[in-house]
Amino acid sequence: QITLKESGPTLVKPTQTLTLTCTFSGFSLSTSGVGVGWIRQPPGKALEWLALIYWNDDKRYSPSLKSRLTITKDTSKNQVVLTMTNMDPVDTATYYCAHRRTTGGGAFDIWGQGTMVTVSS
Amino acid sequence: QSALTQPASVSGSPGQSITISCTGTSSDVGGYKYVSWYQQHPGKAPKLMIYDVNNRPSGVSNRFSGSKSGNTASLTISGLQAEDEADYYCSSYTSSSTGIVFGGGTKLTVL
Repeated sequence: QITLKESGPTLVKPTQTLTLTCTFSGFSLSTSGVGVGWIRQPPGKALEWLALIYWNDDKRYSPSLKSRLTITKDTSKNQVVLTMTNMDPVDTATYYCAHRRTTGGGAFDIWGQGTMVTVSS
Repeated sequence: QSALTQPASVSGSPGQSITISCTGTSSDVGGYKYVSWYQQHPGKAPKLMIYDVNNRPSGVSNRFSGSKSGNTASLTISGLQAEDEADYYCSSYTSSSTGIVFGGGTKLTVL
């Protein structure tokens, strides 16, 4: 059974760097084809894809946020970490991590519960 | 990359069928068979309902089906039930970033 859980601060100040951790179980990020993504959702708004990391350390980023994002993995700890620099109130959102299907187009088949992050001074 | 275009809202009565459209470009929806659909109830994480245009994950009702024509994908829900009332999001692989793009979401109301 695959599970994922996001953790990190609930409140950050503008200009600070946000660090979120996704801790997962039920799969290994060293297995060919496996990927983990980050998606966020501002209150009352749509989902927005942020980043994706694959088993081979290949990384993909949203073009609009690429300069502010870094995604890394720690295979031994079963964790994926997302950092976002220069936080702004518009970055207030629920942040989700999700497991990417290993075949086909790689839809996100299992999601974490999400973690709400508020950006405010 | 721009978000995929979905209608803001659709509605239907119990037992009816509804269709939600998702329009993109040849760089995403039209260029690949990699469209997914997610259902999200208030306060909950999204749930995968359809992947690769027309495939259902195990456990998803066969009342949910997907299709694609050109740059537009569609989600059809037949035999509407009260529990289907939720927000629905489409997504697609996009070659512009070799990543993912989501639609703006559609709120389904079961009358």
